[in-house]
Amino acid sequence: QVQLVESGGGAVQPGRSLRLSCVASGFSFSGYGMHWVRQAPGKGLEWVAVISYDGNKKDYADSVKGRFTISRDNSKNTLYLQINSLRAEDTAVYYCAKTFFIAGAPGYWGQGTLVTVSS
Amino acid sequence: QSVLTQPPSASGTPGQRVTISCSGSSSNIGSNYVYWYQQLPGTAPKLLIHSNNQRPSGVPDRFSGSKSGTSASLAISGLRSEDEADYYCAAWDDSLSALVFGGGTKLTVL
Repeated sequence: QVQLVESGGGAVQPGRSLRLSCVASGFSFSGYGMHWVRQAPGKGLEWVAVISYDGNKKDYADSVKGRFTISRDNSKNTLYLQINSLRAEDTAVYYCAKTFFIAGAPGYWGQGTLVTVSS
Repeated sequence: QSVLTQPPSASGTPGQRVTISCSGSSSNIGSNYVYWYQQLPGTAPKLLIHSNNQRPSGVPDRFSGSKSGTSASLAISGLRSEDEADYYCAAWDDSLSALVFGGGTKLTVL
């Protein structure tokens, strides 16, 4: 069955960097687009970024453009999110999710990893 | 302020039918598929409806989706206590080149 396991979250000071990972199994990773979606404590879902199945197309939310970088390594079945210049408002649970079809909105979500930005 | 507009709350009694609305614009709902997600307390979101009105395998037929113009809705019939959760709509926005979510609707089963 589909499994998405995020890691790399934790407590970090403002201005620092962090790289989140998401290891996929149970499906053909290289055949699907992948998303990152975050959820601040007690808040709704906020889309962060998407990458195409082959890594050639990436889109970002305006709120993270220039600071966040989405990437993937299909040989390792792994999705990444590089987060630079962390801010307090980046505090959230970060979910990775595979698209339902080859592209499009998320179909299956991981359990998430918590990033807490605080001095 | 979310690009897609949902009511913050909804409620119903067991067995009732409830609907949750999602309003957008021509650049998102008006021109792209709508998806609906259920998020039970403390868990990751789960896909309920894709492509406006299609249920993934395993989702009960008590859940149904519809779309008309720039609005969409999720209907839940035969309401059960386990349906108490947050529900989110989503669609791709061509103008923003971004996936946009509604603010979420907290469903309470009385």
